[in-house]
Amino acid sequence: SQQGEEDPQALSIQEGENATMNCSYKTSINNLQWYRQNSGRGLVHLILIRSNEREKHSGRLRVTLDTSKKSSSLLITASRAADTASYFCATERGGGTSYGKLTFGQGTILTVHP
Amino acid sequence: EPEVTQTPSHQVTQMGQEVILRCVPISNHLYFYWYRQILGQKVEFLVSFYNNEISEKSEIFDDQFSVERPDGSNFTLKIRSTKLEDSAMYFCASSGGFEKLFFGSGTQLSVL
Repeated sequence: SQQGEEDPQALSIQEGENATMNCSYKTSINNLQWYRQNSGRGLVHLILIRSNEREKHSGRLRVTLDTSKKSSSLLITASRAADTASYFCATERGGGTSYGKLTFGQGTILTVHP
Repeated sequence: EPEVTQTPSHQVTQMGQEVILRCVPISNHLYFYWYRQILGQKVEFLVSFYNNEISEKSEIFDDQFSVERPDGSNFTLKIRSTKLEDSAMYFCASSGGFEKLFFGSGTQLSVL
């Protein structure tokens, strides 16, 4: 199944603008996580939202989850050039031995122009 | 902040050769993982490891792959006979059991 599909695939904005990235998934989940990847580097965990939560904030990040639509969005407010990176959503189905088994989306490449 | 360390950062090998990718997870973590990312494709789960045994593995993780925690600090991924299609960035991750995974910077494996 194509779990964790993001859109847009690429997003280009000016510094100070907000950036919104969306993610859709197909199966039931335990939680949904967003990760960031700078070019050629590892994945950095940004925020996790559990299936019984609808919205979560962390600094300039706001994530929403709609389990009825099987979708999530990540909003980065007041973007900075340093936010330029690829952003991935990842779902965890949970249960039994599936803990930590994440299904990643294709990612959104965000470019923030100074 | 503690981090997961992976070595080497780049590995070039000939098809059919064995490679060992090394990882030092965060010291008090109990759950360990390998993921990979083929260029232009999604990050894919390979295997999870807990209490000195594999918890779960994907279809990719066939008999050519093995993992080991040889001592209290290292976690390794071995590919016995590499294929061209094994070329990818391999990420190690660890977790303390609170859902959040910490990823290393990856090892770029190139099979020629």
